[in-house]
Amino acid sequence: DARVTQTPRHKVTEMGQEVTMRCQPILGHNTVFWYRQTMMQGLELLAYFRNRAPLDDSGMPKDRFSAEMPDATLATLKIQPSEPRDSAVYFCASGLSAGPGNEKLFFGSGTQLSVL
Amino acid sequence: QQQVKQSPQSLIVQKGGISIINCAYENTAFDYFPWYQQFPGKGPALLIAIRPDVSEKKEGRFTISFNKSAKQFSLHIMDSQPGDSATYFCAASKTSYDKVIFGPGTSLSVIP
Repeated sequence: DARVTQTPRHKVTEMGQEVTMRCQPILGHNTVFWYRQTMMQGLELLAYFRNRAPLDDSGMPKDRFSAEMPDATLATLKIQPSEPRDSAVYFCASGLSAGPGNEKLFFGSGTQLSVL
Repeated sequence: QQQVKQSPQSLIVQKGGISIINCAYENTAFDYFPWYQQFPGKGPALLIAIRPDVSEKKEGRFTISFNKSAKQFSLHIMDSQPGDSATYFCAASKTSYDKVIFGPGTSLSVIP
């Protein structure tokens, strides 16, 4: 049963610390998305990759956030330094790139981040 | 800029009743309109989707109604069940571009 795998599931850290979240997309998928979910903002798109190339990171605070895809099986989202306002659930989703019938996104179970 | 609006924010429906969630979009270039369902502690999962060339799509108890001229679409859940209690997100995207924009979500509670 193919699924998107995110680690860690939960992370508690102190303000100022570096946080790294990892995502393993479904094998064969070539698009990867990072979303942040909060009660106030809902699901916000942070970054989007196609074939490992970043296509859109306009939703991401550039001064502290960075997203990369070192290879096709791993996507990372880093926050350095972390702040309490970064506390949220971070979701990774993967899919197949543009074309009718390929629009479905498959979400991981998320990383619950708490910055104290 | 919020490109997809959704209402209501929360909804309580009696078991067996009809749940209705409404969404509106701004960008006329959108050509794919999915609904995602999210249970606590889980990521959103695709429930049903529609393209603007049809006005209605039905899958089991779930129906999407689409009004292209009004730029609105809605989800109807017939015979609502307690197991339908979840957060529902409408979304929109362009097939030629993968980015999916989500609405703010509706928390549905179906009470016995």
